[in-house]
Amino acid sequence: GENVEQHPSTLSVQEGDSAVIKCTYSDSASNYFPWYKQELGKGPQLIIDIRSNVGEKKDQRIAVTLNKTAKHFSLHITETQPEDSAVYFCAASRGYSTLTFGKGTMLLVSP
Amino acid sequence: GAVVSQHPSRVICKSGTSVKIECRSLDFQATTMFWYRQFPKQSLMLMATSNEGSKATYEQGVEKDKFLINHASLTLSTLTVTSAHPEDSSFYICSASRGLPGVGFTNEQFFGPGTRLTVL
Repeated sequence: GENVEQHPSTLSVQEGDSAVIKCTYSDSASNYFPWYKQELGKGPQLIIDIRSNVGEKKDQRIAVTLNKTAKHFSLHITETQPEDSAVYFCAASRGYSTLTFGKGTMLLVSP
Repeated sequence: GAVVSQHPSRVICKSGTSVKIECRSLDFQATTMFWYRQFPKQSLMLMATSNEGSKATYEQGVEKDKFLINHASLTLSTLTVTSAHPEDSSFYICSASRGLPGVGFTNEQFFGPGTRLTVL
């Protein structure tokens, strides 16, 4: 089955800096890679996703890149703000299968 | 669009009782719903996948007789924790996918806000 590794487990940045979270996956047939933001005591919220026919996708301060050859994808957050502080999960799936999640990254943005 | 609700948000019950958690897709039809369990500072663990009108598919190690799942309509799925014990205390989260294969199907999952279950 699919295995998703996520790094780092914690990330502390200063407000205004950029943050990068990386994930690798094992199943070369995976074709859908979403990123979720989870605030304390709440459910995960989809913030951006990318499919295997695209190498990069951007939405304002958030971008995701995908390297299918190396089987890794990354989340980039620019101009971080304190409200970006949360746990971020990457995930991967293929076809109509279930999502396999990474273990999460706790991002702390200090004012 | 793509809003998923859960009820209740928190529940405290005595050991041995059963608890029902509802998951609703508010503005779309969910052909597939998923139930997850999440322990503190851990990732989401998939418990089961349910399709409307059919039996749920449980992940390995999840007791189907303990965690009863019903997906009676395209907007509602329920998880019943039967004979709950303290070790069942956890954060339960549902998600929903919309569409049908071949007709705008996506494997996006939209998550509910979660239900905190505490079993005394």
